[in-house]
Amino acid sequence: TQLLEQSPQFLSIQEGENLTVYCNSSSVFSSLQWYRQEPGEGPVLLVTVVTGGEVKKLKRLTFQFGDARKDSSLHITAAQPGDTGLYLCAGVRMDSNYQLIWGAGTKLIIKP
Amino acid sequence: EAGVTQSPTHLIKTRGQQATLRCSPISGHTSVYWYQQALGLGLQFLLWYDEGEERNRGNFPPRFSGRQFPNYSSELNVNALELEDSALYLCASSPLYEQYFGPGTRLTVT
Repeated sequence: TQLLEQSPQFLSIQEGENLTVYCNSSSVFSSLQWYRQEPGEGPVLLVTVVTGGEVKKLKRLTFQFGDARKDSSLHITAAQPGDTGLYLCAGVRMDSNYQLIWGAGTKLIIKP
Repeated sequence: EAGVTQSPTHLIKTRGQQATLRCSPISGHTSVYWYQQALGLGLQFLLWYDEGEERNRGNFPPRFSGRQFPNYSSELNVNALELEDSALYLCASSPLYEQYFGPGTRLTVT
C-alpha cells in the first residue's frame, strides 16, 4: 500500500491544455516536495511546500499543499512538450525520521 | 557547486556476478540515499546512510548492501545478481529533507 497515492498514473494531452496531478495520503506531512524526472536522468526537485494551504507558483506550474497537510496538487497551465516527464511527489511524515515517503509517480506526455 | 555524481554510467553484468556502484554527494551533505527504479516505474527505496552509518533500508534482500565512507561518498554492492536486478540505480544526497539526485547507473544483468 502506497502511503502517498498519486493520480492519475498516466496522462497524455495536447499542447496548450491544462492539467492537474494529485498526491493524496491519510497521513499528515510536515513538508511535501514535487520532482520531475526525464528519461534516463535523476529526478529534479521542483518545489517544497511546508505550510497547510500554501500555494507556490513556478512559471506555469502551481503547487498547493492541502489545509490538513495530507494532500497536494500540481496544476500545469498551457502545457508544453517540455513539460513531458515523470512527476513524483514525496513527503516527510510528521512522525518520521526525516526520510522521504515517495509516491509512485505520474507519467505525463504532452503532444505537440 | 558540483552536483551528485555516480559511476559508472552503465554497467553490464551476467547473472550471479557482483556489481559495485559509487556515489559522491554534494559537498556538505552528509546523507546519501540509494534507490532502484525499474523501467518506467517509480522509485524503490534501498538504503539510507548518514554520518557513516546505515539509518534505514528498504524491503530488499541482504545481497543488496553498501557503505558510506568518511568523506560521505557511498558504495552500493549487489551480490549474486539476478535478471530482475536490471534497473536504474539512483543516488541522492540531502542536507535534511530535500534530495538531490545523480544521473544514475544503468545496470543490465544478462
